[in-house]
Parts: sequence; structure tokens; C-alpha cells
Amino acid sequence: GQNIDQPTEMTATEGAIVQINCTYQTSGFNGLFWYQQHAGEAPTFLSYNVLDGLEEKGRFSSFLSRSKGYSYLLLKELQMKDSASYLCAVYSGGGADGLTFGKGTHLIIQP
Amino acid sequence: GAVVSQHPSWVICKSGTSVKIECRSLDFQATTMFWYRQFPKQSLMLMATSNEGSKATYEQGVEKDKFLINHASLTLSTLTVTSAHPEDSSFYICSARDPNRGIHEQYFGPGTRLTVT
Repeated sequence: GQNIDQPTEMTATEGAIVQINCTYQTSGFNGLFWYQQHAGEAPTFLSYNVLDGLEEKGRFSSFLSRSKGYSYLLLKELQMKDSASYLCAVYSGGGADGLTFGKGTHLIIQP
Repeated sequence: GAVVSQHPSWVICKSGTSVKIECRSLDFQATTMFWYRQFPKQSLMLMATSNEGSKATYEQGVEKDKFLINHASLTLSTLTVTSAHPEDSSFYICSARDPNRGIHEQYFGPGTRLTVT
């Protein structure tokens, strides 16, 4: 089966750093995505990891360890507009081209 | 980046009626589109994979006779919710892959909020 776990909610302070963890157990693995979703809107792409290691893109970085079934999204210099849900999604591949999403982490940024 | 549109953005319908939602790739040809459903405070759940010119592939537990998918062209997929019931009220989101950009380039539409009364 497919199982993707991430914390339901996190709170952080403006200007600080926050790390959102994601663990997965899936029948196949061909990459892990992070998406940002504001309430009532579609997800927007943040990052994609298929090999182990850290991918940095501006204030956002994403890490993957395939052997541990683990990823994290690191957000630096937090801004109020970063308040959103962050979705971890796995691409299993093998003909099942859709993504399997975790339930999302609702991130609240406080002044 | 690539743009995917959905129409309508929101719709209210009466129980027992059918509703059609359109998903269009505006600046690329999408051989594959995906339909997701998201209930409040829940994750996106893949409903079906729509391939141009062939039948859709439905995920386990999704009724193909209730959620009709048509992908008649490389830029348009439609989802028809037939005989809608209040429990079908949800946020329906499509996404499309640009085959020229690799699998990580999957673009989401803005979503359609369906309310069945």
C-alpha cells in the first residue's frame, strides 16, 4: 500500500527557519515532490527530488533519503505569505503516473 | 511556465443532476491529465488518469460510471459527475503533464469547487 506521513500542523515565527518532515512507504518510488497550497487554491510546485541529497532553491530546500524513506522541506527567512499547507507527494511510476499525496502540513507563521 | 485552466471555478447543483468540469492545457499538449479530489482539510486523492484517445484509468474505489472522463483532444479533458449527491461536494483539481518537460513538470489547474445541495 501507499502511506505518506507528515505533521498536521506547525507554527513558526516570521524570519525564522522551519523544517517540515515527510516519511513514506510506497510500493514504488520514482521521485518525491513538495507543493505549497493556499486555502481554496491549487497546489503550486516547490521541489522535486529523485536522488539522495539536498536540493536548494532560494529560501526553500528539500532533502531526500531513499534508504530511510524520508524527506524534509526547509524554509528559511520565513515570511507571512509562507502561511499555507505544504504537501509531500510521491511519484511511484510504473504506469501509475499520478501522485500520492500526504495529508499536508498546515504551517502558521506568527509575527 | 505552463498553464492549466479549469472551468467552472465553482458550481452549485441540485442532487441528482450532472455537472461537467473542463480541464485545459493552454500552452502545451497534454497526452496525460489527472483528476484529483480534495475534501476539506484532507489530502488530494487521485481519482483517475486520463489519456488522450483512450479510456481513463480509475483508482480503486472510484466509480467509473459516476465520474465520466473524456480526453478527446491533447488540450482538453472533461470530468462529468453524474447523478451528483451531497457527498460528492468537494474540490476537484486537474493536472497535466507536458511530455516535453519530464514527469516532474506536472501543472495543476486552479480547481473547481462543487457543492451539491
